[in-house]
Amino acid sequence: DQQVKQNSPSLSVQEGRISILNCDYTNSMFDYFLWYKKYPAEGPTFLISISSIKDKNEDGRFTVFLNKSAKHLSLHIVPSQPGDSAVYFCAASARVGGGADGLTFGKGTHLIIQP
Amino acid sequence: DVKVTQSSRYLVKRTGEKVFLECVQDMDHENMFWYRQDPGLGLRLIYFSYDVKMKEKGDIPEGYSVSREKKERFSLILESASTNQTSMYLCASSFGQGFYGYTFGSGTRLTVV
Repeated sequence: DQQVKQNSPSLSVQEGRISILNCDYTNSMFDYFLWYKKYPAEGPTFLISISSIKDKNEDGRFTVFLNKSAKHLSLHIVPSQPGDSAVYFCAASARVGGGADGLTFGKGTHLIIQP
Repeated sequence: DVKVTQSSRYLVKRTGEKVFLECVQDMDHENMFWYRQDPGLGLRLIYFSYDVKMKEKGDIPEGYSVSREKKERFSLILESASTNQTSMYLCASSFGQGFYGYTFGSGTRLTVV
């Protein structure tokens, strides 16, 4: 039973345009959400997070939106750059503050930025 | 910067061998994790530890064990390697009860033949 779903295995976006990556979850106990970015042959790197008490968090070109009623979050990248080409993982934690319980990850979306 | 180091980038082992994957972090993090990444399956949690000598099963612990004798080191053990354990293994660490994101190592690509 997949608790964190990223339904688009890949997404192609033109350089300079907006990239929108989507994530749905089923566990209503999740209260902290994160996005990770992964290049081939490297470990995932933390990108941005959001607590369930917020509906938006912004960091430079990256914005995460959370819709709790729909159990949906999205990552917006504006403007998209070639270096953004990577696999993006959505992750969730059922514990405020995260900590030691481990994250539940989606399967990832491969974002390809085209020149 | 927190550094999480996995001892091997690539490893090839034979079926039935006992395999040790080592992970060391240098920032005194309490929590350490082992995930595996497979195409189409994302990252799945194998085991985690929130203190020395403590360990908890993740979502897919079967066929694996772990050891945490020192705070900075978390080892993943494949008792008898099988071909379905061919995967990318990722170690991560995090600090305390607050949430500051996890720091991942670069991964170990294990092939079992």
